[in-house]
Amino acid sequence: DAKTTQPTSMDCAEGRAANLPCNHSTISGNEYVYWYRQIHSQGPQYIIHGLKNNETNEMASLIITEDRKSSTLILPHATLRDTAVYYCIALNTGNQFYFGTGTSLTVIP
Amino acid sequence: NAGVMQNPRHLVRRRGQEARLRCSPMKGHSHVYWYRQLPEEGLKFMVYLQKENIIDESGMPKERFSAEFPKEGPSILRIQQVVRGDSAAYFCASSQQGARSPLHFGNGTRLTVT
Repeated sequence: DAKTTQPTSMDCAEGRAANLPCNHSTISGNEYVYWYRQIHSQGPQYIIHGLKNNETNEMASLIITEDRKSSTLILPHATLRDTAVYYCIALNTGNQFYFGTGTSLTVIP
Repeated sequence: NAGVMQNPRHLVRRRGQEARLRCSPMKGHSHVYWYRQLPEEGLKFMVYLQKENIIDESGMPKERFSAEFPKEGPSILRIQQVVRGDSAAYFCASSQQGARSPLHFGNGTRLTVT
């Protein structure tokens, strides 16, 4: 699986868009990009995943660059409940989900 | 639609006792994963099972830890002769198609070894 690099922490004002970057410059053609988040003390929560096209669901949007070397998770209108650690994973379908250290997002009132 | 169910939520064991952690996957999911999270650390993969078979146990400690996922019933993570270093949150996840579909996590079992 490709190694992913994320900033350690970020802040975002409540109501604004939160843009969380992820670098996966060694990603191969068949590796998906997955995003999860973990709110304190809870189990990780699946957010979204994609291969090469941009994806959107009720929680977030995922923008993957054309060369697939990086992606951005967008929470369009951050709320205090979005404060969590966000994990970006680049995964080959034959392998396991390995979580890195993620980005600790703090939404500020 | 019940999600992944783990029990107990909290488990206290004395050093040397056995700990049994149970995980019922989501309905229709036959792939189960176990992860461990030490305080203030990230999630570490332990083992991946698919109905009665261990597919990948590369993250499991070589001794005292075992996992099973029988044909009927929940998946069990068993820790024998627990030590203080085993104190952690243990999360179970399930999926429909292994790594070809998203994992859905339970809320974990917090094991405390006194």
